[in-house]
Amino acid sequence: AQSVAQPEDQVNVAEGNPLTVKCTYSVSGNPYLFWYVQYPNRGLQFLLKYITGDNLVKGSYGFEAEFNKSQTSFHLKKPSALVSDSALYFCAVRDANTGTASKLTFGTGTRLQVTL
Amino acid sequence: ETGVTQTPRHLVMGMTNKKSLKCEQHLGHNAMYWYKQSAKKPLELMFVYNFKEQTENNSVPSRFSPECPNSSHLFLHLHTLQPEDSALYLCASSQEVGEGRAYEQYFGPGTRLTVT
Repeated sequence: AQSVAQPEDQVNVAEGNPLTVKCTYSVSGNPYLFWYVQYPNRGLQFLLKYITGDNLVKGSYGFEAEFNKSQTSFHLKKPSALVSDSALYFCAVRDANTGTASKLTFGTGTRLQVTL
Repeated sequence: ETGVTQTPRHLVMGMTNKKSLKCEQHLGHNAMYWYKQSAKKPLELMFVYNFKEQTENNSVPSRFSPECPNSSHLFLHLHTLQPEDSALYLCASSQEVGEGRAYEQYFGPGTRLTVT
C-alpha cells in the first residue's frame, strides 16, 4: 500500500519570506512524486514532479521540491512567497512499478496562507 | 477548448433523479479518472480507464456508473444518490504510454454536486 502524509493543515507565511510545505510518503517500490495546487472552486493544477534524476526539481510559478529518499520526503519550497500563492496544496505519490494507468495517492492537503 | 473540461459545473439533484456528468480531455491522453473530493477528506479515486477499458473500481457504490466510449470522453451516470454523495467530482487524464508518457494527471475544474 502507498500513502502520503502532509502533517500541517495550514502554513502561514508573510509575503517575501520563504515557504515550505511538508510531505512524507510511503511506497513499496520506487516513488513517483507530485505536487498539485488547488484554488477555490477549481480543479487541481499540476506544479511539479519527481520521476528520476536530480533530487531538486523545479516547477511552475517559482516552486521547487527536494526528493529525500532516506527521509522519504518531498517538501515543496519557494524562496519568496506571494499573496497569490495562497491556495490548497496536495502532495501525491505513485509506485513506479504499477501498470499503465497510474493510481495516485494524495495527501489531505495543506492550506497555504500568505499575508502582506 | 484546451485541457480537461467538465460539464455541468454545478448540479443540484434530488435523491430520485438520474443525471450524468461529462468529462472531455483534449490532450490525447490514454488514461482517464474520476475522483471525489469531499470537505476534510483526502481525494478519493473512484474509477480508472485505460484506452477506454476500466482498470480500477475503487469499491464505488453501484449508484455511480461510469462510461468511457472513447479515450477522450468519460461520463459518470448518477441515480438514487444520497446526501452524503454531495461533493466536488473531478475528472483527470494522463499519458502513460509511448514517447509522450509523463505520468502526471491533468484535472478538469470539477462538478459541484449537491444531493437534496
